[in-house]
Amino acid sequence: GNSVTQMEGPVTLSEEAFLTINCTYTATGYPSLFWYVQYPGEGLQLLLKATKADDKGSNKGFEATYRKETTSFHLEKGSVQVSDSAVYFCALRLSGGYQKVTFGIGTKLQVIP
Amino acid sequence: EADIYQTPRYLVIGTGKKITLECSQTMGHDKMYWYQQDPGMELHLIHYSYGVNSTEKGDLSSESTVSRIRTEHFPLTLESARPSHTSQYLCASSPPSGANVLTFGAGSRLTVL
Repeated sequence: GNSVTQMEGPVTLSEEAFLTINCTYTATGYPSLFWYVQYPGEGLQLLLKATKADDKGSNKGFEATYRKETTSFHLEKGSVQVSDSAVYFCALRLSGGYQKVTFGIGTKLQVIP
Repeated sequence: EADIYQTPRYLVIGTGKKITLECSQTMGHDKMYWYQQDPGMELHLIHYSYGVNSTEKGDLSSESTVSRIRTEHFPLTLESARPSHTSQYLCASSPPSGANVLTFGAGSRLTVL
């Protein structure tokens, strides 16, 4: 079956530090890959996505590259801010009209001033 | 700005009460979903719908039920709430084509005493 494995948190960083949250996946086909972010007290929202191998998704200074050879989609940001404190979910979805989204367990990030 | 609305945001009720969590979207999305989110953050799909009069059980067994009489409306009902139902419930929707990005509501936090 399909699965997403992401690093467990919490991750605590100082402001302006470099962020990496690892995500690897297992899928029977060629999935689209996503990072969603959940700020405190809110629902999830899409942060970035990539739909095929070697694609790079980017948004708000965050980046992730779809690596088919390592089945990975690691999230990176060069300089985190306190406002980036949130829970980050890696997810995948296979193509086809009735495919569901598979989420990782979520990684909580806390950025301290 | 949210195009998917959940009410109530917070609900505290006693054991045995019947509750309905409302979810409405204004985007014309055909697919809608209910997720239950643990205190530890992990998301579990409990119900989904691919259109009017379509409802399916998700990956996690739930005593709740759903209905889809109108495209924009996907309510979740618990006939007799118990403390084990205490959780955060997230509603989401996605369009019929493309990468099927999920749009989430802000969530309904249910506490059963």
